[in-house]
Amino acid sequence: EDQVTQSPEALRLQEGESSSLNCSYTVSGLRGLFWYRQDPGKGPEFLFTLYSAGEEKEKERLKATLTKKESFLHITAPKPEDSATYLCAVNTGFQKLVFGTGTRLLVSP
Amino acid sequence: KAGVTQTPRYLIKTRGQQVTLSCSPISGHRSVSWYQQTPGQGLQFLFEYFSETQRNKGNFPGRFSGRQFSNSRSEMNVSTLELGDSALYLCASSQQNEQFFGPGTRLTVL
Repeated sequence: EDQVTQSPEALRLQEGESSSLNCSYTVSGLRGLFWYRQDPGKGPEFLFTLYSAGEEKEKERLKATLTKKESFLHITAPKPEDSATYLCAVNTGFQKLVFGTGTRLLVSP
Repeated sequence: KAGVTQTPRYLIKTRGQQVTLSCSPISGHRSVSWYQQTPGQGLQFLFEYFSETQRNKGNFPGRFSGRQFSNSRSEMNVSTLELGDSALYLCASSQQNEQFFGPGTRLTVL
C-alpha cells in the first residue's frame, strides 16, 4: 500500500534557526514527490516537485531534496511568515496524490 | 492567470440532504482532482477527471460522485449526507504533473 509519513508532527523554531522536515514514502511507482504549504483555512500552495533521487530544488529559504526512500525540506534562517503546515505527497498515477499528515511549523520572532 | 476557484466557500447542511460543489480549473488545465480534508484523516483523494472521463477513484462510498464538463469545470455531489462528511473539500487542477489547489469548500453537516 502506498504510504507517506512525515516527521516531526510539529516543530517550533526561533527566527533564524534552520531545520529540516522529513518525508518518508513507500510507493509502487513514484510519479513525482510534491511539497505543499498550507495556511489555516486555505488550500495547499504548491512549492516543489521532485522526480528522481539526487534531485534538489530551491525557493527562497526552502530547499527540497529527494532520495530513494525519503525527501527533506530544509528551511534556512526561517522567518515568522514561514509558519504554516508543510505537506508532502506522492503521485501514484492519474493525478492521485497520497498525502502525509503534515508538519506544523511555528517560527517565533 | 486566475487560479482555481471553488463555490460555494461555505455550506451548512443537515443529515440526509445532498450537496453539489463546483470547481473551475485554471484556464487550459484539463485534469481536475477532488480531495477531502479532515483533522483526523488528513487529505484524501476522492476522484480525478480528464476530458470529462473519470480516470481514478479513491476509497469513498458511492454517495460521493462527480462529473466534468466540456469546458473542464467540475462538480462533485454528496448524497445522503452524514455527520462524518463535514470537511474541507478541495479541488485541484493540473496541466501536466503539478496540481494547483483551490481555496476549498467548507462543508458542515448538522
